[in-house]
Formats: sequence, structure tokens, C-alpha cells
Amino acid sequence: EVQLVESGGGLVQPGGSLRLSCAASGFTFSSYWMHWVRQAPGKGLVWVSRINSDGSTTNYSDSVKGRFTISRDNAKNTLYLQMNSLRAEDTAVYYCARTGYCNSSNCYNWFDPWGQGTLVTVSS
Amino acid sequence: DIVMTQSPDSLAVSLGERATINCKSSQSVLNRSNNKNFLAWYQQKPGQPPKLLIYWASTRESGVPDRFSGSGSVTDFTLTISSLQAEDVAVYFCQQYYSVPFTFGPGTKVDIK
Repeated sequence: EVQLVESGGGLVQPGGSLRLSCAASGFTFSSYWMHWVRQAPGKGLVWVSRINSDGSTTNYSDSVKGRFTISRDNAKNTLYLQMNSLRAEDTAVYYCARTGYCNSSNCYNWFDPWGQGTLVTVSS
Repeated sequence: DIVMTQSPDSLAVSLGERATINCKSSQSVLNRSNNKNFLAWYQQKPGQPPKLLIYWASTRESGVPDRFSGSGSVTDFTLTISSLQAEDVAVYFCQQYYSVPFTFGPGTKVDIK
């Protein structure tokens, strides 16, 4: 069974840091691009970041660029999101998600599956 | 950035009746090289992560009931639930994966009338 399990969320003060992890199982992790998507309480979905299969290419939304860093450890089947300089508006459930389909030449970035999410609350 | 809009914001449909959700992108998400629309639909129930329903605008994900169907092209798309069941109560989101940043519509809440 394909599974993604996030951890590392919690309460942090504005300006603080947090590192999220996403443990993957049930598929060849090193073959897939991976993403972080967040959802503020009662709000919609916002894509945050993606990383390619070997970790050499990353992309970020403008709202987190320069503050967040996505990375992966393919030997540990784990995705990470290092979040620095956190702001109140970063408060959200953070989901990791797998890219829907990759072949030898392309990856197509619908999201499937999703983890259950981990809640990050930025507040003093 | 490609802006995604959805209509209506919410709708209430009787059990067994049809529900139709519209999604519009601010620019084309049709890739001319493979003639595919880079558009997906998700269902999110309270307290759960989103679940993929449709990709390539009209390809149903494995295991998704055939009462769910997607249609449309270029900038205008529709998700149809042909016969609403109680378990379909949820928020539905569209998403473009044509270009970074990948963007979602604001969601449409579907309830039972």
C-alpha cells in the first residue's frame, strides 16, 4: 500500500523554525517528484514546493521562497521541509503528496496520494 | 501564475440528482504537444486529505465511481456527479498542473438538499 506519513508539526513562535518530515512507503520513492501543499484552517489548498526525484531541482511558491527549503533522503525514503522565519500566515496543515505519474522523460504533477497532514501553528 | 476559479461556491442537490461544478483557468492548460489538458479534480471530506478523482481533465482515477466524470478543454472544465450519493458530501477542488506554481481553485462545497 502506498503511504505517506507526515510528522514534525507543532506550535512555534513567529520568527521560529520547524522541520517537517514525510515518510514514504509502498512505492519506489526515488523515482517520483514530491510536493508539499498546505491548507490554512477552513481555507483552500496552496501548493508550497516540489523537488525532483534526485533532489537536484526544486521549486517554491513566492510566499515561501527564501524561507522554506525542500529536500529528500532517498536512502531513507523521506521528504523534508525546513521552515525558517515563520509567520502567522504560515499556520496551516501541511500535506506531502506524490507526483501523479512519472515516465522516463516527464513527470505530470497531479497529486496522488496525499499524506494525512501535520498541523503547523505559528503564534506567540 | 494561472488563476483558477470555480462556480458555484456551494450547491445542495437531492440524493440521486446531478451535481455540476465548473472550473475556469485564467490561461490555457492545454498542452498542444500531447493534446492533453493539465487539469485535475480532488474531493476533500472533513478532517481528511484531498483525494484524487480525475486527471487529464477527464481520466477517472482507479477506484473512483463512474458517477464522477470530468469534461472540458483549454480554459473551461466541469466535474459532474451524475447521481449524488450521501458519501459525496465534500468540498471539490480543481488544480492545474500545466505550470509552476501549481494552483487550485477555491473549492465548491456539495451538500444534500
